[in-house]
Amino acid sequence: GAGVSQTPSNKVTEKGKYVELRCDPISGHTALYWYRQSLGQGPEFLIYFQGTGAADDSGLPNDRFFAVRPEGSVSTLKIQRTERGDSAVYLCASSLTPVSTNEQFFGPGTRLTVL
Amino acid sequence: GENVEQHPSTLSVQEGDSAVIKCTYSDSASNYFPWYKQELGKRPQLIIDIRSNVGEKKDQRIAVTLNKTAKHFSLHITETQPEDSAVYFCAARGGITGNQFYFGTGTSLTVIP
Repeated sequence: GAGVSQTPSNKVTEKGKYVELRCDPISGHTALYWYRQSLGQGPEFLIYFQGTGAADDSGLPNDRFFAVRPEGSVSTLKIQRTERGDSAVYLCASSLTPVSTNEQFFGPGTRLTVL
Repeated sequence: GENVEQHPSTLSVQEGDSAVIKCTYSDSASNYFPWYKQELGKRPQLIIDIRSNVGEKKDQRIAVTLNKTAKHFSLHITETQPEDSAVYFCAARGGITGNQFYFGTGTSLTVIP
């Protein structure tokens, strides 16, 4: 079956603009995670959804970042008033359930560049 | 919150030799420790994982050990092959809700033919 997909694959924007990044998880996966990966670093946790609700958004760096998952499937990460420091690869991952050791499957990421 | 440290940051080995990557974590409540392999420009992929109630797990040439008392876990790759060359990340699951994954900073492994 299809894996996790993310769109766009690349996004270039200007400082101060608004961007939306989309994640399509594997069908049936109830848990969805967003991460940010800067060059040479490991993925940094941003937010975790269980179903439609954000169960843990403690990783969002500030109130310019927001994410939704209205129907419990597709999720959108929204960044307002982008800053150059927001430039990174944004990864989405999904898993069947969040508990135990269910494997997280990562998407290919969206490379965001803020000029 | 959890803090995961990973060493070394780079590792070069001759083909056929073993490679060992070590990670430490700070939160004793963390209970699940996956390892990911990430090739250049690609997504992280799970290669092996271990739960906190197990001390060692092996899958062919790859093994992971966990020492809960010392709060460290290690990845062991034996009989390395050039295709093992990649960046490897350790992670620990914990956090307030127990569902955050904290990643190490990665180890760039190069297997020299």
